[in-house]
Amino acid sequence: EAQVTQNPRYLITVTGKKLTVTCSQNMNHEYMSWYRQDPGLGLRQIYYSMNVEVTDKGDVPEGYKVSRKEKRNFPLILESPSPNQTSLYFCASSFQGAGYEQYFGPGTRLTVT
Amino acid sequence: AQKVTQAQTEISVVEKEDVTLDCVYETRDTTYYLFWYKQPPSGELVFLIRRNSFDEQNEISGRYSWNFQKSTSSFNFTITASQVVDSAVYFCALSESVIQGAQKLVFGQGTRLTINP
Repeated sequence: EAQVTQNPRYLITVTGKKLTVTCSQNMNHEYMSWYRQDPGLGLRQIYYSMNVEVTDKGDVPEGYKVSRKEKRNFPLILESPSPNQTSLYFCASSFQGAGYEQYFGPGTRLTVT
Repeated sequence: AQKVTQAQTEISVVEKEDVTLDCVYETRDTTYYLFWYKQPPSGELVFLIRRNSFDEQNEISGRYSWNFQKSTSSFNFTITASQVVDSAVYFCALSESVIQGAQKLVFGQGTRLTINP
């Protein structure tokens, strides 16, 4: 089954404790991206990647890191989480770029206390 | 910079009514793509439609229809004879063409649609 998976689905952590949210797709997609969803703000793009070792900032990259060492995986790293990073995070992939249909993961609800 | 505005934060209608969700976008590009996604109460994001800037033909899919008007920079979504299962948050999104490698996707704030039985 074609899908995007994210782990964990739910995470409660404390300020400053490094964490990683994993994202994997099995569709051989070139493009992968991370978004955060906050009430009243819709989805905002954090980072995206056009291919292995090619990443670029979205609109809200501060406080996040990403890497794309393999085509299928695109982890999101919060090196020192803060309460303002409490949010619902979605990973997505598409065939060849932002102009194609995005396939979204199920979401990760992160709470930073 | 690209921007998407969904001015209707919440809409509530009675089942079987028709309802239109508005989407207005801003872009300096001549080549771009517009999307609608649905987020039901279960939380997942579901793709509904993709439209490129050169195709202004309206599209109909069952009870759903989309009206793309470049002259007013709008890409509105109409649900005809609404049903309770249409209750969801709907997002409009915009992707510009590749400009020096940019591949950003910008979403509107979303419209929460509630269909009451």
